[in-house]
Amino acid sequence: DSGVTQTPKHLITATGQRVTLRCSPRSGDLSVYWYQQSLDQGLQFLIQYYNGEERAKGNILERFSAQQFPDLHSELNLSSLELGDSALYFCASRGENADTQYFGPGTRLTVL
Amino acid sequence: GEDVEQSLFLSVREGDSSVINCTYTDSSSTYLYWYKQEPGAGLQLLTYIFSNMDMKQDQRLTVLLNKKDKHLSLRIADTQTGDSAIYFCAEDWNTDKLIFGTGTRLQVFP
Repeated sequence: DSGVTQTPKHLITATGQRVTLRCSPRSGDLSVYWYQQSLDQGLQFLIQYYNGEERAKGNILERFSAQQFPDLHSELNLSSLELGDSALYFCASRGENADTQYFGPGTRLTVL
Repeated sequence: GEDVEQSLFLSVREGDSSVINCTYTDSSSTYLYWYKQEPGAGLQLLTYIFSNMDMKQDQRLTVLLNKKDKHLSLRIADTQTGDSAIYFCAEDWNTDKLIFGTGTRLQVFP
């Protein structure tokens, strides 16, 4: 158990819908990262937040957005969903001066 | 570019050693990582190496780093069927994000 929690574990929805994925980092970790794992694109970095502020951005679509709240949990919002958005979405957190990111178990999103 | 390359498949006999290779891109990476992903599961951190090291050994795992060639390898000694999984290398890009390789599917047969 990495200490990073993600909910829900599975999500099935239809094209055009909007969903929110939630992540709780390890206690005290200020950095939260979101990654997408799909068959087409592999594992790719989406976005990073540090203590509530956006810190780095990867190949995140404009239909996707994220935020980090004062209690440090983060949410990834995916809107106007397309079939190609079906993927496993991972959240990770990292502490100050830590050597590594710790990954949550992921949320599997299926868009029908 | 941000391409981290790995061979797609590796098949080994139980009890043999496995060597999974990775070529990364960012010469300023601070850390390089190996993750394991079993079917339907999340990412398990196996081991990592600091960029100023050449080698790191952790029980059955040995990581070798060649900074000049930007080449990383993971050797698994006495490979077991439970080691069957997809293995990802990742580099720490400017400490802001991890760039993952394409993954190597390791199949261990008896």
